[in-house]
Parts: sequence; C-alpha cells; structure tokens
Amino acid sequence: AQSVAQPEDQVNVAEGNPLTVKCTYSVSGNPYLFWYVQYPNRGLQFLLKYITGDNLVKGSYGFEAEFNKSQTSFHLKKPSALVSDSALYFCAVRDDTGYALNFGKGTSLLVTP
Amino acid sequence: DAGVTQSPTHLIKTRGQQVTLRCSPKSGHDTVSWYQQALGQGPQFIFQYYEEEERQRGNFPDRFSGHQFPNYSSELNVNALLLGDSALYLCASSFQGARYNEQFFGPGTRLTVL
Repeated sequence: AQSVAQPEDQVNVAEGNPLTVKCTYSVSGNPYLFWYVQYPNRGLQFLLKYITGDNLVKGSYGFEAEFNKSQTSFHLKKPSALVSDSALYFCAVRDDTGYALNFGKGTSLLVTP
Repeated sequence: DAGVTQSPTHLIKTRGQQVTLRCSPKSGHDTVSWYQQALGQGPQFIFQYYEEEERQRGNFPDRFSGHQFPNYSSELNVNALLLGDSALYLCASSFQGARYNEQFFGPGTRLTVL
C-alpha cells in the first residue's frame, strides 16, 4: 500500500522568507514523488518530481524539493517566498508497479506581505 | 498547445440521477486518469484508461464507470448519484511512452448532488 502524509494543514510565511512544506511517504517499491499546486477553482499544476538521481530536485517557479530516503521524506522548499505562492500544495507518490497517484490531504500555504 | 480540457465546468444533479463528465487529453497524450477531490481533501484515484481499456482502478464502487475513445478522449459516468458524490472531478493525462509518465491535470468539473 502507498500513502502520503502532509502533517501541516497550513503554513504561514512572511514574504521574502524561506518556506518549507513537509511530506512523508510510504511505498513498497521504488517511489516516484511529485509536488502539485492548486489555486482556487483551478486544477492541479505540476511543480516537480523525483524519480531517481540527485536528492535535490529543482522545479517550476523557484521551488525545489529534497528527497531523503532514510526519513522517507520529500519536503518542498523555496528560498524566498512570494505572496503569489499562496495556494494549496499537494504531495503525491506512486510506486514503480502501478499508475495511480496517491495524494496527501494538502497543505495551505499563506505568504503575507 | 491545448492542455487538458474538461466539460462541463459545473453540474448540478439530484440524488439517483446519472451524470457523464468529459475529458480531452493534452495533445500527444494517450492515457487518461480520473480523480475525485472532495472538499478539503486530496484527490482520490478512480481509474486510468489506456488503449481504450481500464487498466487500474481505485477503491470506488461499480456506479463509477468510464470509457476511452479512439481519439484518447474519455468519459466518466456515475450512476445512482449520492450526496457524497459531490466533489471536484479531475481528469489527468499522460503519455505512456514517456518515462515516468507524469500526469497533467485539467481544471476539473464541479459536481453538486442535491
């Protein structure tokens, strides 16, 4: 079975400060990990993915994520937050035997000016 | 290049009715997945279609069925609607031939069951 945990319902950050949105996962095989962002009344937009290779993955809009196999984590990070980054962020995982993405419940990011 | 499109945008139905939602994949994509996103929750996988066949299904009852057409577009059908079926239904497309086929999502169809 696969699962994703996003332990924080909401993360609040001041503009210009670094941000971290946490994600831990559980899979039986090799993990494929993804981050998506959802703006109000919109679908999900792909940010980045980890398949294999470097543990630090760079994605869209200045976001990056760090894969940690021993801690089974894939935290999303950005060095300097923007007000426009305020949105709902979802971590997702699938293993190398299936096709379904398993999503966390989401973390609401609020960046204040 | 058009992304994933879904229709209709919004839909209101009553309990017991049937509904059909439609999805056109991103150009060049041949695989379509459907997800249900209840309010305040993450998307839940319903099923995935490839080569006009359902090849993986999530934990949803048989009231949820689908179809994929030769042009790769897809439909999601839900019979005997329940209040709990109210949700945002997301379609995602991908290309089977691409390694680690990441999924691209459409804007969704908001279904309200009264």
